[in-house]
Amino acid sequence: NAGVTQTPKFQVLKTGQSMTLQCAQDMNHEYMSWYRQDPGMGLRLIHYSVGAGITDQGEVPNGYNVSRSTTEDFPLRLLSAAPSQTSVYFCASSSVGAVGEQFFGPGTRLTVL
Amino acid sequence: RKEVEQDPGPFNVPEGATVAFNCTYSNSASQSFFWYRQDCRKEPKLLMSVYSSGNEDGRFTAQLNRASQYISLLIRDSKLSDSATYLCVVSTSGSARQLTFGSGTQLTVLP
Repeated sequence: NAGVTQTPKFQVLKTGQSMTLQCAQDMNHEYMSWYRQDPGMGLRLIHYSVGAGITDQGEVPNGYNVSRSTTEDFPLRLLSAAPSQTSVYFCASSSVGAVGEQFFGPGTRLTVL
Repeated sequence: RKEVEQDPGPFNVPEGATVAFNCTYSNSASQSFFWYRQDCRKEPKLLMSVYSSGNEDGRFTAQLNRASQYISLLIRDSKLSDSATYLCVVSTSGSARQLTFGSGTQLTVLP
């Protein structure tokens, strides 16, 4: 099993550009989430999904969109990148009955100039 | 006040030492508690869940004190490989939306 995979590992964008961060899991987990991690702050939830076709906002959803067309994939779209979105982004998955036991992808380091 | 607070450290301890971290949480409705480990520039990984009666996994012991609203992690006989940031995680329900991560405590084990 590959677990949770994310691409790309690194990305540099200019202000105003858009892009999609990819996330996939092969554990048949219902729950998938996107977090951002900034220095001195805990992981903050951006968006999450409890299954294909179902998504909801987390703590910091502004500037990001998600969709979940399959159980395996949960892409995160940055609509118009801003320097405040410079961060490390982690995708995670878990089973419905064990949301606290999250499996994380390796992360994407995003810099917005 | 942050929902989940941890001493950021860094804790620098010699190999073989015992070290303890505390984490306090503000929401008395919190139901589930976890410790995650995050190596430098890597993803967080679940270290252990924290049960009401306390639990042990090898050199690691986790305790929960609901009355004082804190959880603790004790590491005995520290190894160089224990060097990492330890994240406290608290859940108020079974939803990812109610999962709150602390900002972590950095541990360095010195030879």
